[in-house]
Amino acid sequence: DTEVTQTPKHLVMGMTNKKSLKCEQHMGHRAMYWYKQKAKKPPELMFVYSYEKLSINESVPSRFSPECPNSSLLNLHLHALQPEDSALYLCASSPQTSGGLDEQFFGPGTRLTVL
Amino acid sequence: SQQGEEDPQALSIQEGENATMNCSYKTSINNLQWYRQNSGRGLVHLILIRSNEREKHSGRLRVTLDTSKKSSSLLITASRAADTASYFCATDDQGAQKLVFGQGTRLTINP
Repeated sequence: DTEVTQTPKHLVMGMTNKKSLKCEQHMGHRAMYWYKQKAKKPPELMFVYSYEKLSINESVPSRFSPECPNSSLLNLHLHALQPEDSALYLCASSPQTSGGLDEQFFGPGTRLTVL
Repeated sequence: SQQGEEDPQALSIQEGENATMNCSYKTSINNLQWYRQNSGRGLVHLILIRSNEREKHSGRLRVTLDTSKKSSSLLITASRAADTASYFCATDDQGAQKLVFGQGTRLTINP
């Protein structure tokens, strides 16, 4: 299995809702990433998990809360989001934890709309 | 920090022609990668070139790297309609555990 899966594909939520995005990989990769991508812009790194521990938080607002329950799963918990948080949220994984030294494998993304 | 800048921002060519995209970066790197993204989808890794390599090929793709000029180019030969996508270069942020993406080139192949 050489793919990263993400659920749901689309999510619409109000500003008072709590929701979660899920990401899964079964390639034995030790590093997992969350990116946010606005239309016609490059992906922006949010979080990096290395061996199931949070290693990088790119000063992301606390309304985004990542979680790595095990080496195959990565969650992003969302609470009290703002309309400007509407974006494509991408999950990725890589074999090692050296970040930019490895090819990253991306999931198809979750399209999030905050009303 | 913004590492890669790409040029052109958008490129439209006829099927069968070659497409060239350029990427410039600011700091020393260990490697440079190119990714493709079809509209609204995830990114797909195309090729990785290490700092001690000057050129790399993969099928119809040719990537060059000039570390003295801090620049790279991606050439797609004999383009096809299916090559229509956004193409991003990405560099490793020195010493950090992350990739930094360029602004991307939106490539349109006209049949």
